[in-house]
Amino acid sequence: EAGVAQSPRYKIIEKRQSVAFWCNPISGHATLYWYQQILGQGPKLLIQFQNNGVVDDSQLPKDRFSAERLKGVDSTLKIQPAKLEDSAVYLCASSLTQSGANVLTFGAGSRLTVL
Amino acid sequence: GQNIDQPTEMTATEGAIVQINCTYQTSGFNGLFWYQQHAGEAPTFLSYNVLDGLEEKGRFSSFLSRSKGYSYLLLKELQMKDSASYLCAVKRDDKIIFGKGTRLHILP
Repeated sequence: EAGVAQSPRYKIIEKRQSVAFWCNPISGHATLYWYQQILGQGPKLLIQFQNNGVVDDSQLPKDRFSAERLKGVDSTLKIQPAKLEDSAVYLCASSLTQSGANVLTFGAGSRLTVL
Repeated sequence: GQNIDQPTEMTATEGAIVQINCTYQTSGFNGLFWYQQHAGEAPTFLSYNVLDGLEEKGRFSSFLSRSKGYSYLLLKELQMKDSASYLCAVKRDDKIIFGKGTRLHILP
């Protein structure tokens, strides 16, 4: 099966600019996750979707970050305006469901550098 | 990462055995994952435990004690390609929360 697709792989922007990341999960996977991974740390959950509904966004900085999953398939994560501390890899993952042994399959990630 | 603790770094020798420990808060717990992450790559799934005991999968085994809030990942017959970060992740209320990871260095 095709994996989780993410784009762009790399993005460099200046602070206060905006950026958007796109994710296409594995076909048929109902649950989609966006994680932020700062260098040397574990992934931090930003937002979790079940189909096109938000399950959890408690750690999403809503003053600058937004995410949507229209039609319950692809998702976009936007940052506006970006800050220096947003420099990180943004990982998208998907799983068949969110219950039971829901193994996450990750995309290759989008590496953001904010100057 | 929300009270999931694992050592920051470990070093072991090729061919040896290493055990990576993970402790976590037990409230809301309903499963524990181990993922491997090579530098510059995405995490990949290694194991899942929800019941107490040992799960063996080739050179890798994972153990869980729910009452103690404790898990370990055991890697046998270490190979150079096992140099990576190992992430402990706890499932709570349908959310999967990762620890900070343990960076494992393998010496020849």
